[in-house]
Amino acid sequence: DIQMTQSPSTLSASVGDRVTITCRASQTLNSWLAWYQQKPGKAPKLLIYKASVLESGVPSRFSGSGSGTEFTLTISTLQPDDFATYYCHQYQGYSGTFGQGTKVEIK
Amino acid sequence: QVQLQESGPGLVRPSETLSLTCTVSGGSISDYFWSWIRQPPGKGLEWIGYIYYRGSTKYNPSLKSRLIMSVDTSKNQFSLKLNSVTAADTAVYYCAREGATNQYGPIDPWGQGTLVTVSS
Repeated sequence: DIQMTQSPSTLSASVGDRVTITCRASQTLNSWLAWYQQKPGKAPKLLIYKASVLESGVPSRFSGSGSGTEFTLTISTLQPDDFATYYCHQYQGYSGTFGQGTKVEIK
Repeated sequence: QVQLQESGPGLVRPSETLSLTCTVSGGSISDYFWSWIRQPPGKGLEWIGYIYYRGSTKYNPSLKSRLIMSVDTSKNQFSLKLNSVTAADTAVYYCAREGATNQYGPIDPWGQGTLVTVSS
């Protein structure tokens, strides 16, 4: 099974900051990596898939990068609506695993 | 626009079977992979498994021995049964679609989720 290690678990930031979240896989992924945003009481929302492809309707301040075993989600200029929990998700080999999540809090 | 809705009991007794159904509207269940994901209160997401519309399945190894998924294309529904539940199975259960037409992939869209509590 592929394990995903996401860091940090909590991140304190201010509006306007640049934020980076990292996910490391226990095996090489062929870019089969997605990122989701979840707000309290709501289902997760797909932001990025195939490591770097922005889902339709997602603001361009979100970007994804990486390859192999290390991937990052970057929010270029943090907005008030971006305070939430973010999860990475690998979907290689017809199975899935999530990272532990990163809560982005107001500093 | 495809929408998913989970249904089933909100309370299950320990050692019994948790049963949930997901109804797909706004599109056909055919040609896609359909999955279940759960989230214990205050914790992260756990991928439970998927069922392809033709009936093939893939389960999380940690749940495989207790899990059965099924699909009913005539009703545009798919279901989950998890037996021998304990308090550790208490979670919000989400149903979702994985990937694009006949292609496994990221999870979108998701149902709104339903809380299932295991308690006597």
